[in-house]
Amino acid sequence: GPKVLQIPSHQIIDMGQMVTLNCDPVSNHLYFYWYKQILGQQMEFLVNFYNGKVMEKSKLFKDQFSVERPDGSYFTLKIQPTALEDSAVYFCASSYGTGDDEQYFGPGTRLTVL
Amino acid sequence: GDSVTQTEGLVTLTEGLPVKLNCTYQTAYSDVAFFWYVQHLNEAPKLLLRSSTDNKRTEHQGFHATLHKSSSSFHLQKSSVQLSDSALYFCASNYGNEKITFGAGTKLTIKP
Repeated sequence: GPKVLQIPSHQIIDMGQMVTLNCDPVSNHLYFYWYKQILGQQMEFLVNFYNGKVMEKSKLFKDQFSVERPDGSYFTLKIQPTALEDSAVYFCASSYGTGDDEQYFGPGTRLTVL
Repeated sequence: GDSVTQTEGLVTLTEGLPVKLNCTYQTAYSDVAFFWYVQHLNEAPKLLLRSSTDNKRTEHQGFHATLHKSSSSFHLQKSSVQLSDSALYFCASNYGNEKITFGAGTKLTIKP
């Protein structure tokens, strides 16, 4: 089936540094999402993105977070500067439409902030 | 506010037994879709079932669920669990918009 890829699979950085998480969504999908999952807990919505713009973001999407998809390439989540509480697994998802259209999830990037 | 509630955090069963994972919700929206996602260890969540039609049973891979708007529920059931069913199960809803709101998840462990 369709696959979403995420690079890297793991990232360890020092607090205060910048990190960029990359997502290669399903090729014909139009809607893109980031979710955050702290180990063993539920996934929580961060942000969604359509037509080059952020459509909705949650309270977890702090000012230090930003997303973009330059020239239809990777959909990225940048955190600058990082904080200890940013340690989590970040899942990217994409969908063709909205409503009950299936969101396809990537395998996640495990971010550890030291 | 809108929410999805899963009452069981951990469920442990012996292979071959039936399972029911509870999911209830609270929302002011009438036009909503509900999902069950399954997440195996160190893998991405995958869609297991979805429904937006009241009182219609949906089935996939031996699991089934029926959306009951009268009781605000979308419970997941299977008549006979297998070892490979061990995973984290999330109930979720889109609540009429593009983001998905997940429940806290139920960790299902199947023993031989």
